[in-house]
Amino acid sequence: DAMVIQNPRYQVTQFGKPVTLSCSQTLNHNVMYWYQQKSSQAPKLLFHYYDKDFNNEADTPDNFQSRRPNTSFCFLDIRSPGLGDAAMYLCATSRDRGAVNEQFFGPGTRLTVL
Amino acid sequence: AQSVTQLDSQVPVFEEAPVELRCNYSSSVSVYLFWYVQYPNQGLQLLLKYLSGSTLVKGINGFEAEFNKSQTSFHLRKPSVHISDTAEYFCAVNSGYSTLTFGKGTMLLVSP
Repeated sequence: DAMVIQNPRYQVTQFGKPVTLSCSQTLNHNVMYWYQQKSSQAPKLLFHYYDKDFNNEADTPDNFQSRRPNTSFCFLDIRSPGLGDAAMYLCATSRDRGAVNEQFFGPGTRLTVL
Repeated sequence: AQSVTQLDSQVPVFEEAPVELRCNYSSSVSVYLFWYVQYPNQGLQLLLKYLSGSTLVKGINGFEAEFNKSQTSFHLRKPSVHISDTAEYFCAVNSGYSTLTFGKGTMLLVSP
């Protein structure tokens, strides 16, 4: 089945230690998104890629970076995680940009910062 | 700017009872509306969406929603809930810029 895969499902890191979260998709979609979801809150868009074109949300901290080496893979790098970065990180894809395009979500990676 | 308000953070209901989860939105342009469900420690799954046409939209798992432009609402309903419907439900709006804005979510708690 075509799907969005996130690895690992659970990640523990130490305060200030860089961490990378991974997302892959077999849908061959052009757009990939990263959301941050803190406990009992709505998902918040961090950034998205339209093909190789990177689009950062205005309020995304510089501590968060992303890479998309090819269509299938997208990575979220947190350069110096703080306690406030503990959250569920959701990857999503859509065939194209525009509101009519449904976003398909992965299962998420829960990040714990010690 | 677009925004979504989910008026209830938690809705408790008994099994086989009907339920309505409320969602109001604001946008200065035409909107597309979505309801997603999130089970514990999982990603979001699309329940249904309104893009255009009929204001009554039917989705998966027996859910439906009605788009009301005059009241800027998109409430989610199910005539008879099951224990397995216990989950967090998110309403979301997209005003055409390809980025979804989510509400804060409503936790549906179904008890026997």
